[in-house]
Amino acid sequence: EAQVTQNPRYLITVTGKKLTVTCSQNMNHEYMSWYRQDPGLGLRQIYYSMNVEVTDKGDVPEGYKVSRKEKRNFPLILESPSPNQTSLYFCASSPFFGGTYNEQFFGPGTRLTVL
Amino acid sequence: RKEVEQDPGPFNVPEGATVAFNCTYSNSASQSFFWYRQDCRKEPKLLMSVYSSGNEDGRFTAQLNRASQYISLLIRDSKLSDSATYLCVVNTGGFKTIFGAGTRLFVKA
Repeated sequence: EAQVTQNPRYLITVTGKKLTVTCSQNMNHEYMSWYRQDPGLGLRQIYYSMNVEVTDKGDVPEGYKVSRKEKRNFPLILESPSPNQTSLYFCASSPFFGGTYNEQFFGPGTRLTVL
Repeated sequence: RKEVEQDPGPFNVPEGATVAFNCTYSNSASQSFFWYRQDCRKEPKLLMSVYSSGNEDGRFTAQLNRASQYISLLIRDSKLSDSATYLCVVNTGGFKTIFGAGTRLFVKA
């Protein structure tokens, strides 16, 4: 089954404790992206990747890191989480052709609480 | 001004009604446009892409007006199952994606 998986689905942690949220897709998509969703603000792009070893900042990259060592994986790293990073996080992937990317397929989301 | 703006609603409509959502975007260089649907904080799912010529999929019609920089979504013969949040999505070029904050729709029996 074609899908995007994220782990963990739920996480409660404390300020300053490094964490990684994994994202994996089995559709051989070039493009992957991370978003956070907060009430009243919609989804905001954190980082995106056009292909292996190619990443760029979205609109809200502060406090986050990413890497793209393999095409299928795109982990999100919070080196020192803070309470303002409490949010619902989505990973997405998309095929890229015709000079642009197309439909994005989303993972189920990770609900993160930082105390 | 936000790069992508939507009326947050909520829109409360009876079954069978026709409802329309608009979305405006500020970057005239935007290249791709989409409507996504999101249920109860679940993952967004593509409803339809929006093309310059407009497109229709069953009860749903999407239009793009580049001159005025807005896109629209029309839902005819609303069903209870259409209750959701509808997200306007714009690819601004350079692979960045901007989501609108979403419009909530409630369809009542």
